[in-house]
Amino acid sequence: DAKTTQPTSMDCAEGRAANLPCNHSTISGNEYVYWYRQIHSQGPQYIIHGLKNNETNEMASLIITEDRKSSTLILPHATLRDTAVYYCIVRGNTGTASKLTFGTGTRLQVTL
Amino acid sequence: DTEVTQTPKHLVMGMTNKKSLKCEQHMGHRAMYWYKQKAKKPPELMFVYSYEKLSINESVPSRFSPECPNSSLLNLHLHALQPEDSALYLCASSPKLLRDSGEKLFFGSGTQLSVL
Repeated sequence: DAKTTQPTSMDCAEGRAANLPCNHSTISGNEYVYWYRQIHSQGPQYIIHGLKNNETNEMASLIITEDRKSSTLILPHATLRDTAVYYCIVRGNTGTASKLTFGTGTRLQVTL
Repeated sequence: DTEVTQTPKHLVMGMTNKKSLKCEQHMGHRAMYWYKQKAKKPPELMFVYSYEKLSINESVPSRFSPECPNSSLLNLHLHALQPEDSALYLCASSPKLLRDSGEKLFFGSGTQLSVL
């Protein structure tokens, strides 16, 4: 699976949009971009995933660049409860794809 | 029911003890996973079960022994652990193995294990 690079930490004011970047320059054509988050003392929680097109659900939006080498997770109106570690994961659908391998993630701190 | 339930939430054990961690899901998922997470580190995959059979063992020491007695239940048996095995142990499930594009993992809240 392609390796991802994320900033170690980010801050965001409550009510503002949180934009979390992820670089995955070695992504291949059949690999998907997944985002999970982990709130302190809880298990990771699935947020969203995509292949080429931008995706939106009730939690967030995922913007993938046309060359697919990077993506951005957008939390449109961050709240204090969004404070968590956000993991960007690239995963294929063959071979070892049954593994979900976490990188170091971005620690998002939402403040008043 | 969309939950993965792990018990106990906290466990303290000595290096000579034998204990077990339990994980249960009633979503009809056929793939189940054990992850280990050290403090301030990402989760690391340990084992994957598919249809009650061990599919992946990430070279985990034999003092960790997984068991999947049925499709809803996953155990992790612990014996002769070391203090460095202290960590959060997370269980997860998915409808089937993560080969298809839409599959995602559902995680429990974990068992915080301390080995003295």
